[in-house]
Amino acid sequence: AQTVTQSQPEMSVQEAETVTLSCTYDTSESDYYLFWYKQPPSRQMILVIRQEAYKQQNATENRFSVNFQKAAKSFSLKISDSQLGDAAMYFCAYRSLGGSEKLVFGKGTKLTVNP
Amino acid sequence: DTEVTQTPKHLVMGMTNKKSLKCEQHMGHRAMYWYKQKAKKPPELMFVYSYEKLSINESVPSRFSPECPNSSLLNLHLHALQPEDSALYLCASSQIRRTGGSSTGDNSNQPQHFGDGTRLSIL
Repeated sequence: AQTVTQSQPEMSVQEAETVTLSCTYDTSESDYYLFWYKQPPSRQMILVIRQEAYKQQNATENRFSVNFQKAAKSFSLKISDSQLGDAAMYFCAYRSLGGSEKLVFGKGTKLTVNP
Repeated sequence: DTEVTQTPKHLVMGMTNKKSLKCEQHMGHRAMYWYKQKAKKPPELMFVYSYEKLSINESVPSRFSPECPNSSLLNLHLHALQPEDSALYLCASSQIRRTGGSSTGDNSNQPQHFGDGTRLSIL
């Protein structure tokens, strides 16, 4: 079974600074998908970014980028130019390729953005 | 605004009540999901529907009964719940991409879109 580990229960960053949230996972599969979801206090889960394991290029979405290290099974999220609206719970998630629709979530990292 | 709509946003019910949670999406997604989320925890998958058929039941107690009347709607019927069932219930949907000649499709690379959830409290 796959597992996802987020080792930082809480992180804080100053507005306009950069912060990196870590995520590691364990799997025996060679192909899979990885996601970062954001859940603000409004509670909606919002997709931030996704990465296909067969792609070597790291995914980027505006101020959000990932550092995907397949051999190390690491999938960190970098948030540049942090904004107050980035404050939220961030969940890393793993999904198998084909046949299983189950998202395996990490325990989450609570990000605080200080003005 | 979310593209997945859940009603009600809040629900308080007694242990003997029967109530239903509703979820609706009009994005043409053919996979729909129910998750349960306790405070400060990640969501836990409960059920998955693919093409309006139940494809995954994560050993959920029978007091939770899902229903998918059509491709846009997903219900969760509640009966005789326990206090520990108090939680945020999230609905999600995703596209299903057909792979090769398979009729079952593959929705693993299609991201799930979540609703705002229903905050359920059991008295």
